[in-house]
Amino acid sequence: DAGITQSPRHKVTETGTPVTLRCHQTENHRYMYWYRQDPGHGLRLIHYSYGVKDTDKGEVSDGYSVSRSKTEDFLLTLESATSSQTSVYFCAISESRGRNQETQYFGPGTRLLVL
Amino acid sequence: DQQVKQNSPSLSVQEGRISILNCDYTNSMFDYFLWYKKYPAEGPTFLISISSIKDKNEDGRFTVFLNKSAKHLSLHIVPSQPGDSAVYFCAASALRNKLVFGAGTILRVKS
Repeated sequence: DAGITQSPRHKVTETGTPVTLRCHQTENHRYMYWYRQDPGHGLRLIHYSYGVKDTDKGEVSDGYSVSRSKTEDFLLTLESATSSQTSVYFCAISESRGRNQETQYFGPGTRLLVL
Repeated sequence: DQQVKQNSPSLSVQEGRISILNCDYTNSMFDYFLWYKKYPAEGPTFLISISSIKDKNEDGRFTVFLNKSAKHLSLHIVPSQPGDSAVYFCAASALRNKLVFGAGTILRVKS
């Protein structure tokens, strides 16, 4: 299994509060991603990173920001959490050479509840 | 507009029989397809993939078929085992590193 950890694994917060989720990898992979999983939608890409300090938006980026100051860490921040951001969040990583770029490996997920 | 669709929310199969999970896509630029399996409270795990230059890829009990003209792919599991019970996600890529996922199909293998 790819060395990917996410913290926290579970979080309950209140509307309007900031929340930061952390993804940590030990594989030295170049690419890192944040997804959210919701019933009926599968996994939807929030933001991704293609290197330190290099990030880009995904399909559902509104209300989220990311930062990557080190290869191994990718942070997802909800600046002011809303109930619509209640979801399960997954981090993923992929290599940077050849076709293997598209095979992404996922972390265990963070379950976030916004009250 | 969902570019990747898994029209069957769930599928129930008897142990030992074949499981067939289907996926349709609309974007003709997709050229790489993957299947992931997900157990409750865990992250998705990569199962098998196929490039658009092929129409079949096999790995043990798992085979993926791609029909480009129909924009359809399927995952066959033979024989099905109770441990295969999980949610299966189909995913597709047109640009490197950007995967688009289907909504998933819940597979239940009955013993």
